[in-house]
Amino acid sequence: TQLLEQSPQFLSIQEGENLTVYCNSSSVFSSLQWYRQEPGEGPVLLVTVVTGGEVKKLKRLTFQFGDARKDSSLHITAAQPGDTGLYLCAGEDMRFGAGTRLTVKP
Amino acid sequence: EAQVTQNPRYLITVTGKKLTVTCSQNMNHEYMSWYRQDPGLGLRQIYYSMNVEVTDKGDVPEGYKVSRKEKRNFPLILESPSPNQTSLYFCASSLKGSGPYEQYFGPGTRLTVT
Repeated sequence: TQLLEQSPQFLSIQEGENLTVYCNSSSVFSSLQWYRQEPGEGPVLLVTVVTGGEVKKLKRLTFQFGDARKDSSLHITAAQPGDTGLYLCAGEDMRFGAGTRLTVKP
Repeated sequence: EAQVTQNPRYLITVTGKKLTVTCSQNMNHEYMSWYRQDPGLGLRQIYYSMNVEVTDKGDVPEGYKVSRKEKRNFPLILESPSPNQTSLYFCASSLKGSGPYEQYFGPGTRLTVT
């Protein structure tokens, strides 16, 4: 089993601030996914990264896959209250990290 | 509309009373799985199925059973529920079981065992 560790576990920031959350492992992944889960709903896929060093952008969200394909980061620029949620990373084995719970205050 | 459905959405039951949570997908996906979500522990995989009649244990299978007799359905069975199975349960499906394939999740079933 490839274990994924996410940090920080909780993050509370003001609207307009920037933030980065991390997903780390000692294992090499062929792909990593980021999901966002809002209260009362199932997770929804944000992005899949497959190439070491890859950077993908989704509006104000920037995802990076580490060169060694053991870690990934999610950077949010100018966070908004609508970004509030639980951010989860998952490997190609369909297993998830414990998540980062983000709260963006107006 | 492509979706994963689960029923019931909420269930309160007593210890030892058998229950089934249904899951169905309409996307002709080969892979289906069940997760439970507990505070601070993220999503933990209970069972998964790579295709019809093929099921396998995930990380926390104790106390659960599954079956995959049809491609679209993947019910989760608790033969004798216990309070430690109180949790939020999600069913998910994906085109394939390994690789960069998106998992589509159901809306969740909140189970309370007293």
